[in-house]
Amino acid sequence: KAGVTQTPRYLIKTRGQQVTLSCSPISGHRSVSWYQQTPGQGLQFLFEYFSETQRNKGNFPGRFSGRQFSNSRSEMNVSTLELGDSALYLCASSISGTGLYFGPGTRLTVT
Amino acid sequence: QKEVEQDPGPLSVPEGAIVSLNCTYSNSAFQYFMWYRQYSRKGPELLMYTYSSGNKEDGRFTAQVDKSSKYISLFIRDSQPSDSATYLCAGKGDAGGTSYGKLTFGQGTILTVHP
Repeated sequence: KAGVTQTPRYLIKTRGQQVTLSCSPISGHRSVSWYQQTPGQGLQFLFEYFSETQRNKGNFPGRFSGRQFSNSRSEMNVSTLELGDSALYLCASSISGTGLYFGPGTRLTVT
Repeated sequence: QKEVEQDPGPLSVPEGAIVSLNCTYSNSAFQYFMWYRQYSRKGPELLMYTYSSGNKEDGRFTAQVDKSSKYISLFIRDSQPSDSATYLCAGKGDAGGTSYGKLTFGQGTILTVHP
């Protein structure tokens, strides 16, 4: 079974721009979560979607948003990019509460 | 205080050593505990998950959870250079709740196994 896939893998954007990242979960997984990973803060939970509904949201500003489609694929959007948004953005999927499977991540650099 | 505390290391051991990685947590609602391995520039890979207190073994890896002391451990036997990576512990509330995907992670421990 194919794992979680994320596109693009690398992205360079300028401050003030917006960006959209895409994630395809493992087949059959209806829960998709997004995380931000930075050297200083580690892995931090952004939000979770289940059956197209946001079920949980982490402590991030409203510039960070997401959505999930009927095929469970998910996108996250960051508007008005700041330098501090440079990070590895990880998508993860789950079929139940017993395991969360991560994709390879999208490395975003904001200049 | 972070909900999950993990010594970032780095930890360096010789090949064949037994490695002990540890985390403490403060959130009593955590029921599930997970260990992930992350190689440089890759996504985290799920190694082990345990429910509540107890031990779980999978090959060279053993995960232990002691809820009374809020302490979780991962032991790696016969460590190999290929085990060199960052190891992350994580806790999660009950799966019957509102979230499958909200984990709280420790900072990660950098492990190097040298030949």
